[in-house]
Amino acid sequence: GESVGLHLPTLSVQEGDNSIINCAYSNSASDYFIWYKQESGKGPQFIIDIRSNMDKRQGQRVTVLLNKTVKHLSLQIAATQPGDSAVYFCAETPSQGTYKYIFGTGTRLKVLA
Amino acid sequence: GAVVSQHPSWVICKSGTSVKIECRSLDFQATTMFWYRQFPKQSLMLMATSNEGSKATYEQGVEKDKFLINHASLTLSTLTVTSAHPEDSSFYICSATSGRSYEQYFGPGTRLTVT
Repeated sequence: GESVGLHLPTLSVQEGDNSIINCAYSNSASDYFIWYKQESGKGPQFIIDIRSNMDKRQGQRVTVLLNKTVKHLSLQIAATQPGDSAVYFCAETPSQGTYKYIFGTGTRLKVLA
Repeated sequence: GAVVSQHPSWVICKSGTSVKIECRSLDFQATTMFWYRQFPKQSLMLMATSNEGSKATYEQGVEKDKFLINHASLTLSTLTVTSAHPEDSSFYICSATSGRSYEQYFGPGTRLTVT
């Protein structure tokens, strides 16, 4: 079936370093991809999104890269801070015209002081 | 803008009782709302998609008679867990979209504990 998965369940990064969180997706027809951050006991918080007609998008300290050839999505966080510690999920909309999301398994980011 | 609230934020109920969770879009009209369930250390699993004024569409494996969803207005959707059992204990999260973009706006979640 369709799936969005992550390679690393836990990522530990030194404060100030850059973080890279990866996500693989299986549906080549997916049109929209999103990264969310979730802190313990809270709802997901939007970080950044990207459409399938783009391969890179930058925000404040974050960059999302989309490689449609290998169906891979990554989130880069520059100068990682303690407040970045959370679980990060990628999600995709499986086809155009649907607002439904399929979420990946999640990666826990731990920022070491 | 684009704020979604949920009520209650946490609830404890006895096995066999029903509990209702509300999801509200506070500053926009939500054409579509979604209900997710999240178990500890797991991802969000979509339970159902709810469009205002129509029946919800449930994902495979989700019992529609157990998880009743009502989307009576463009700002309110409710999820009722009927005859709750301890295995229904979970974190329930709703989201809403205005229909103008793919982005979903998430609520803060409701922690349900069934004893």
